[in-house]
Amino acid sequence: DIVMTQSPLSLPVTPGEPASISCRSSQSLLHSDGYNYFDWYLQKPGQSPQLLIYSGSSRASGVPDRFSGSGSGTDFTLKISRVEAEDIGIYYCMQALQTPYTFGQGTKLEIK
Amino acid sequence: QITLKESGPTLVKPTQTLTLTCTFSGFSLSTSAVLVGWIRQPPGKALEWLALIYWDDDKRYSPSLISRLTITKDTSKNQVVLTMTNMDPVDTATYYCAHRRSILTGFNYWGQGTLVTVSS
Repeated sequence: DIVMTQSPLSLPVTPGEPASISCRSSQSLLHSDGYNYFDWYLQKPGQSPQLLIYSGSSRASGVPDRFSGSGSGTDFTLKISRVEAEDIGIYYCMQALQTPYTFGQGTKLEIK
Repeated sequence: QITLKESGPTLVKPTQTLTLTCTFSGFSLSTSAVLVGWIRQPPGKALEWLALIYWDDDKRYSPSLISRLTITKDTSKNQVVLTMTNMDPVDTATYYCAHRRSILTGFNYWGQGTLVTVSS
């Protein structure tokens, strides 16, 4: 199985400040078709997860442009340019290159 | 508008079989490249992928659970069914079904989840 490792696991942020979450995979997620099979999700308190980023850097429909994804291969980053109060929750990375799909441990973003 | 909703028992006894139904609307599971997956989340823990079924009826399972899981679809009813045998208290979790337009494009729609408790 591909192991996904996130850091940090806890991220206190002041509103208006930037935030960054890292995710590393145990093997490259770059397919021969040129795409990274990698997603970012946010699970707000008491809600189902929601898709933020797919293919490593493509923003899902309706996701604010303050969220951006970057990286390729084994190292990926989610950045929030200016954190808002509604961004609190647990952020998960997930690989879809091969089954079993695997998630990271989650990064809890909280407001200072 | 795509929606998914999970249904099934909220309480099962150890060793029993769990049957969960995902009823969806707004898409067809006979459309090329579309797939539906099942993901679970034990209370306070991370997400765990369980299984998925493709538009062409191809199926994939978590290797750690493959002997206990079966996923099927009924295209005419717009439903995906997941069965899990020999339930154990460690299987207590919220179970989600989710839509994926293709392998590349992420689980972009999720059901509300259903909490299943395994207890005698």
